[in-house]
Amino acid sequence: DADVTQTPRNRITKTGKRIMLECSQTKGHDRMYWYRQDPGLGLRLIYYSFDVKDINKGEISDGYSVSRQAQAKFSLSLESAIPNQTALYFCATSAAENYGYTFGSGTRLTVV
Amino acid sequence: AQTVTQSQPEMSVQEAETVTLSCTYDTSENNYYLFWYKQPPSRQMILVIRQEAYKQQNATENRFSVNFQKAAKSFSLKISDSQLGDTAMYFCASLSYNTDKLIFGTGTRLQVFP
Repeated sequence: DADVTQTPRNRITKTGKRIMLECSQTKGHDRMYWYRQDPGLGLRLIYYSFDVKDINKGEISDGYSVSRQAQAKFSLSLESAIPNQTALYFCATSAAENYGYTFGSGTRLTVV
Repeated sequence: AQTVTQSQPEMSVQEAETVTLSCTYDTSENNYYLFWYKQPPSRQMILVIRQEAYKQQNATENRFSVNFQKAAKSFSLKISDSQLGDTAMYFCASLSYNTDKLIFGTGTRLQVFP
């Protein structure tokens, strides 16, 4: 099994729908992150969490919310999806002591 | 604030040749890491190489090496003996010890031709 698992792998949804992307990890890391990748823009940080009770906005948090249900689980929600949220979404984890990031395999989201 | 700039959107190289990907960064921090990640068509993010800013010696990993110029805030990646499997998107990234947030550049798409 992968260290960081993202579900679903691909998803098509309609404008205005609520959608949740899920991430779980078996690394035992406290720190978890959600990134969005767009062509020509690289990966941009949406939200990050350093422990279950510590959640912070990244550079592009508008239109998104997150939930850290447990150390191992960090979900990203789009409350009302819009077409410009079509992107590849990555979850990542890191260990505080060595700053090593582990990425999931991504969720490709298309909003039509 | 940290920023990372990759000025080459696309590059190509012939198999077995050497190619260098450029990256510049800006940070006010003294303690930070720099990374190169590879993203093949499978879209998985794969760590290629990592450099700690306080280390003067350039990092190497097999065919991959970096040229780290701290004063110039430059961090280029050299790929020697390029292979078809090196075809991928390459991202440069920086991480501050204080913030532990990984900041990415916009990427360079590398195509290796036979």
